[in-house]
Formats: sequence, structure tokens, C-alpha cells
Amino acid sequence: EVHLVQSGAELKKPGESLRISCEASGYSFSSYWISWVRQKPGTGLEWMGRVDPSDSHTNYNPSFQGHVTISFDMSLSTAYLRWSWLEASDTAIYYCARHYGEAYDYWGQGTLVTVSS
Amino acid sequence: DIVLTQSPDSLAVSLGERATINCESSQSILYSANNKNYLAWYQQKPGQPPKLLIYWASTRQSGVPDRFSGSGSGTHFTLTISSLQAEDVAVYYCHQYYTTLMYSFGQGTKVEIK
Repeated sequence: EVHLVQSGAELKKPGESLRISCEASGYSFSSYWISWVRQKPGTGLEWMGRVDPSDSHTNYNPSFQGHVTISFDMSLSTAYLRWSWLEASDTAIYYCARHYGEAYDYWGQGTLVTVSS
Repeated sequence: DIVLTQSPDSLAVSLGERATINCESSQSILYSANNKNYLAWYQQKPGQPPKLLIYWASTRQSGVPDRFSGSGSGTHFTLTISSLQAEDVAVYYCHQYYTTLMYSFGQGTKVEIK
């Protein structure tokens, strides 16, 4: 059975760095792209970017380009989303999702990131 | 960028009645080479991640009840819940994956029981 399990909630201060994770199981990790999606409190979904584990290619939404980095570790079947400098506006729930014909068939449970001084 | 606009923003439907949600795209998301519309629908319940209901505009995901159906082509799409059940209370999103370098979602439609 396919599962995407994300790391736990984080409370950080502005200016701090952070990396959250998404561990995949139940399928061949290299065979499916992984996207990250942001959901700010009480609002809709925003696509942030994606990674293709088969060739390491990444694409970013221009709104997030340069502010986050998407990576992965094939040996751990895990994708990552990293910030080197958090801002209060990064407070949100972040989901990883597996591409299926480019729709998303499996989602992680979400990671709540709170950035507050 | 492709902008998806859903209507209405919210609707209240009686149990057993039909619910209809519209999704309008700012440009066609029908790929002529394969005649597929690059649109999906998701259901999100409070405290949960989104769940895939429909892809290619009208293909139901495995395990999704057949009261959910998708239709439309080009720029206008519809998600229909033929007979609303209590467990269908959720926010529904459309999603275009036509532009592979810039996916986008509609703003969401909240469905409640009247």
C-alpha cells in the first residue's frame, strides 16, 4: 500500500532555516514525481514545485523560486522541502503529493510550519 | 499562467439532492494530441489532506463512489454529486496540470448540508 509520511509540526523563528521531509513507501520511489503544495490557514492550495526522482529534475512555481529548495534521498525514498530563511508568511501546512498522470493520487498527512517570533 | 475560477464559492444542498460545482479555466486545457482535458478534482475534509476524486476531467479514481462525476471540456468543467451524503461535506478543488511547469488550483468550493 502506498504511503507518504511527513515529518512533524515545526515552530520556528523568522530567519531560521528548516527542512521538512516526506517518506514514501509501497511503490518504486524513482517512478513517480513528487510535488509540494502549500495551504495557508483557511485558504486554498498552491503548487510550490516538483521533483522527478528518476533524473533529479526540479521545477518551481516562480512565486517560490529562490525561497525554497526541493530535494530527495533515493536511498531513503524521501523527498525534502527546505528553507534557508523563514518568514512569518511561510506559516502554513505543507503537503507532499505523488503525481499520477500529473494529477496527485496520494498525499502526505501535511506538516504544519509556524513561524513566529 | 492558467487561472481556474470556481463557482460558487459555497453552496448548501439538502441530503439526497444534487450538488454542482463549476470550474472555468482562463485558457483551454484540452490537449489536442491525445484529446484529454488536463483537469482533476479533489475533496478536502477538515484536518485532512486533499483526496483525488476525478482526473482527466471525467475519470473517477478507484474507490470513489459513483455519485461523483466530472464533465466538461476545453475551458468549462463541472463536478456533480448526484445525491449528497453527509460525508460529502468538504471543500472541493479543481486542478489543472496542462502547464507542467506551472500547475494551479481553483480557489475551492465549500459544500454544506442545507
